[in-house]
Amino acid sequence: GESVGLHLPTLSVQEGDNSIINCAYSNSASDYFIWYKQESGKGPQFIIDIRSNMDKRQGQRVTVLLNKTVKHLSLQIAATQPGDSAVYFCAENWQSGGGADGLTFGKGTHLIIQP
Amino acid sequence: NAGVTQTPKFRVLKTGQSMTLLCAQDMNHEYMYWYRQDPGMGLRLIHYSVGEGTTAKGEVPDGYNVSRLKKQNFLLGLESAAPSQTSVYFCASSYSRLQYFGAGTRLSVL
Repeated sequence: GESVGLHLPTLSVQEGDNSIINCAYSNSASDYFIWYKQESGKGPQFIIDIRSNMDKRQGQRVTVLLNKTVKHLSLQIAATQPGDSAVYFCAENWQSGGGADGLTFGKGTHLIIQP
Repeated sequence: NAGVTQTPKFRVLKTGQSMTLLCAQDMNHEYMYWYRQDPGMGLRLIHYSVGEGTTAKGEVPDGYNVSRLKKQNFLLGLESAAPSQTSVYFCASSYSRLQYFGAGTRLSVL
């Protein structure tokens, strides 16, 4: 079936370094993607999103890159801080027949920050 | 700013018991969703609603029922709980493509 996945379950980086979290998707019809951050014991929090008519979008310390040719998505976090420690999920957007916008989530990458 | 509120936060059930999880949102969103999250997994959609009085099945609907009697509330019911339903349940709401999530309900079925 079609799904959204992440390449690595765990990523360990040094504090202050840049982090790159990758995601592969398989539904070529998807046209909207979201990155969520989930801290322990909390619900997913929105980080950044991107539509398929864009290749890159920047936020505060975060950048999302979309490569539609190879169906790959990445999240770059600049100058990683201890507060960035969390599980990061990419989510793919599909349109249901009823008009709701369901999300298909990848399995997540746990970002660990080393001091 | 309450956003999406889920109750209860924790619950332990015995096999065969029933319960209802409540989700409330104060953002006047049309769309609401219930997901479950299992260890090492992303969220999987159980049921969703595109408006008051409507519900639809998601990816993993078996063993669950839902109701959306009021726009701000979305209820998830387990009629006869099974150990396989041990999970963390998240509710979300949206007015467009971006979904906002609650803090989750951790359910254990013994």
